[in-house]
Amino acid sequence: LAKTTQPISMDSYEGQEVNITCSHNNIATNDYITWYQQFPSQGPRFIIQGYKTKVTNEVASLFIPADRKSSTLSLPRVSLSDTAVYYCLVGYSSASKIIFGSGTRLSIRP
Amino acid sequence: NAGVTQTPKFQVLKTGQSMTLQCAQDMNHNSMYWYRQDPGMGLRLIYYSASEGTTDKGEVPNGYNVSRLNKREFSLRLESAAPSQTSVYFCASSDTATGIETQYFGPGTRLLVL
Repeated sequence: LAKTTQPISMDSYEGQEVNITCSHNNIATNDYITWYQQFPSQGPRFIIQGYKTKVTNEVASLFIPADRKSSTLSLPRVSLSDTAVYYCLVGYSSASKIIFGSGTRLSIRP
Repeated sequence: NAGVTQTPKFQVLKTGQSMTLQCAQDMNHNSMYWYRQDPGMGLRLIYYSASEGTTDKGEVPNGYNVSRLNKREFSLRLESAAPSQTSVYFCASSDTATGIETQYFGPGTRLLVL
């Protein structure tokens, strides 16, 4: 099981770029890295997924170094609506290997 | 296209009562999951179903049973509710045909056991 470690909480201000780093030292060869976002009273929502190097979509970027032992979720120019809990997961297709940790609680201030 | 739907949205039970939480998805996904989330905590996997007709235990299966009724529906049953089962329950589904796990979640069922 690939365990992940991420900061419990982070604070930032509107308009800033926010980077959340996740450590996954025992990631397996087949594992992908996936980030989810959860707003209060809602289920988690898929943000971005990658295997190596850099992935970018309309919401975020995901940076993965060559050794894949960590990854960084980058949120450009955050707004108040980005206040949420962000989960980093590593795994493949078997559900028993997917573990949600406690996530990173991101608070954005005006 | 409703995605993943869950019923009920909210339920209050007395200790010892039973109930079934319903979940349905319209994305033709093979895999479905039940999680619980306690206040301020991450999600913990209760049971999952990799395909129609199969179910497996997750991290915290005690006190729960599941039924994969068909490809669309996956229900979670509490036979004798306990206060420790007070939580928010999320159902999710994923298409694992590609081998890459991306889960889509329902809105949750808030359960209070008195």
